[in-house]
Amino acid sequence: GAGVSQSPRYKVTKRGQDVALRCDPISGHVSLYWYRQALGQGPEFLTYFNYEAQQDKSGLPNDRFSAERPEGSISTLTIQRTEQRDSAMYRCASSLALISYNEQFFGPGTRLTVL
Amino acid sequence: GQQVMQIPQYQHVQEGEDFTTYCNSSTTLSNIQWYKQRPGGHPVFLIQLVKSGEVKKQKRLTFQFGEAKKNSSLHITATQTTDVGTYFCAGSSSGNTPLVFGKGTRLSVIA
Repeated sequence: GAGVSQSPRYKVTKRGQDVALRCDPISGHVSLYWYRQALGQGPEFLTYFNYEAQQDKSGLPNDRFSAERPEGSISTLTIQRTEQRDSAMYRCASSLALISYNEQFFGPGTRLTVL
Repeated sequence: GQQVMQIPQYQHVQEGEDFTTYCNSSTTLSNIQWYKQRPGGHPVFLIQLVKSGEVKKQKRLTFQFGEAKKNSSLHITATQTTDVGTYFCAGSSSGNTPLVFGKGTRLSVIA
C-alpha cells in the first residue's frame, strides 16, 4: 500500500512568511510524529499525535511552530514568521499504535529553505 | 533530558570488512530501535530491542542491547556496497515518551 506522503517536497520562502507542511500518514496508523532533521544529524522530535489528540509538543522550538491533526489522519505543521534558522528537512512519521514500541514509517520529508 | 550518543560519526571500510556502531544513552531505556537512512532517502526501521542483554540477528547484521539497557550496538559482518548509509539508534525511556535519535554513524564502503 501507499506509504507516508508529505507535501510539498520542497518549499522556498522568504523570511517572515508563514508556511504549512502537510503529512498524509499510512491509512489506519494511530500515531503521527513530526521531526526536524538538519544535515548530518538525526531526526529531532517536534511533536506527536495519537488520533487527533496532540500528546506531546515539548519539541516545538517556540510558539511560531504549531501542528494539528483535526480528523486523526492528515496533519499540518505550521511555521509562522519563518526565520532562516528554520531551514531544514521536516519529516513526518506514522505508526500503527502507541508511541515508542512501534516501528515508525517515515515520509520523504519537506525540504524548507528560508531566504 | 535524555541524550543518545553514537560513535563513530563516520566509518569508511573496504568491502568485506566488518563494521560496528555504538549507541549510548544518558538514561536507562525501555526500548531501542535502529534505523537506516540511505543517501537522499528517509530513515527506514531495521529492528527493535526491548530486553536486557537481547541479541538479534538479521542476515549479516547483529544487534545487541546492553545488560543495563543504556547501550546498544550494531555489527555488520562482511560489508557490502549496499550497506552504505547512515545508521541511527533511537531510544525511549518509557513507552509513553518520544524516541530520541542519535546523530547517526555514516558508513562508506569502498569496493
